[in-house]
Amino acid sequence: AQSVTQLGSHVSVSEGALVLLRCNYSSSVPPYLFWYVQYPNQGLQLLLKYTSAATLVKGINGFEAEFKKSETSFHLTKPSAHMSDAAEYFCAVSRGGATNKLIFGTGTLLAVQP
Amino acid sequence: DAGVIQSPRHEVTEMGQEVTLRCKPISGHDYLFWYRQTMMRGLELLIYFNNNVPIDDSGMPEDRFSAKMPNASFSTLKIQPSEPRDSAVYFCASSFNRGTGDNEQFFGPGTRLTVL
Repeated sequence: AQSVTQLGSHVSVSEGALVLLRCNYSSSVPPYLFWYVQYPNQGLQLLLKYTSAATLVKGINGFEAEFKKSETSFHLTKPSAHMSDAAEYFCAVSRGGATNKLIFGTGTLLAVQP
Repeated sequence: DAGVIQSPRHEVTEMGQEVTLRCKPISGHDYLFWYRQTMMRGLELLIYFNNNVPIDDSGMPEDRFSAKMPNASFSTLKIQPSEPRDSAVYFCASSFNRGTGDNEQFFGPGTRLTVL
């Protein structure tokens, strides 16, 4: 069975500081991995996805994530946090194939302090 | 593209009443998902459809919940009778299977349901 674990339900950073949100996956087959962002009172929006074409994936709003098979990780980073990055972030995994079902993590709420 | 459309955006009802939530997926998408989000339980998959056929409804909490997809452009999630513990934000999402596995889901804005 596939699953993702997001370490830290709440993360707080200062504006301008590095953002690091952790995601570890468990999958018996090569996974497809996703990061979504949810701003207050909105639906989830795709930030980026890993499809095996490249281990370092760049997404929207300056975010990127690196797939590390040896560590079964897909951590999300941004070099310099902005106030507008305050949101909840979800990591998700898919086994691909005939189903489009995603398995979501429990989410990490990012707070950005001025 | 209008994206996934959900209605209503907010619904306030009294316990025991029937509630119907509506979703219009992105045109051309062949998968449709219904999720529920609460503070306590996070994001839960309730049911999903492929080509209008329900594939997995194991996440539907009780028989009070039912979902239909009569055609490719419309789906409903019905709760009858509603209870206060059903209060949550309900999301609809759709996706298209390109055959490559990296099939992201597109989410609607959600319906915030409050059952008094």
